[in-house]
Amino acid sequence: QVLLVQSGAEVKKPGASVKVSCKASGYTFTGYYIHWVRQAPGQGLEWMGWINPNSGGTNYAQKFRGSVTMTRDTSTSTAYMELSRLRSDDTAVFYCVRDRIVGASDAFEIWGQGTMVTVSS
Amino acid sequence: QSVLTQPPSASGTPGQRVTISCSGSSSTIGTNYVYWYQHLPGTAPKLLIYRSNQRPSGVPDRFSGSKSGTSASLAISGLRSEDEADYYCAAWDDSLSGWVFGGGTKLTVL
Repeated sequence: QVLLVQSGAEVKKPGASVKVSCKASGYTFTGYYIHWVRQAPGQGLEWMGWINPNSGGTNYAQKFRGSVTMTRDTSTSTAYMELSRLRSDDTAVFYCVRDRIVGASDAFEIWGQGTMVTVSS
Repeated sequence: QSVLTQPPSASGTPGQRVTISCSGSSSTIGTNYVYWYQHLPGTAPKLLIYRSNQRPSGVPDRFSGSKSGTSASLAISGLRSEDEADYYCAAWDDSLSGWVFGGGTKLTVL
């Protein structure tokens, strides 16, 4: 069974950083891109970027360049998303998502359970 | 403001057919596939349609997708109460070199 299990909820102060993990199981981790998508309260879905777990290569959405860093650890089949210089409007549920096809980007197929990040002073 | 435009709401009665539109541009829907996701409150979104009109295994054939020019539509036939959810379209944007979503459509089953 293909699963993505994310780390637990976080509460951070403005200006801090947060690092969310996403542990994959049930498939070859290096075969499929991992995306990060967020949803702020009452808002829609927003794509943040992807990481190619095989090469470590990334593609960040323009909005998040300079503030997001996506990494992976192939030894533990875990992807990470770190968001820095947090603001209150970064409060959101963050999802990791596995792509549908091998070695490229096509669709957001397998979703993690989501991680709530609250930014508050 | 989203790159892809969806109506904020839609509604129908059980058994009815409803459609949700998604409008884009030449750099999004005009040249790339469209994807649809269903999002039930408190759960993770679910892939409903990929490559404009393909259904993943397990998605009922009541759900169908189509694309024409720079617009796309999701149709749900034989509407059921469990279809009440938020629906999002998505596409690759050649101008942004990234994925973009529509703002979402809240479907109410009356």
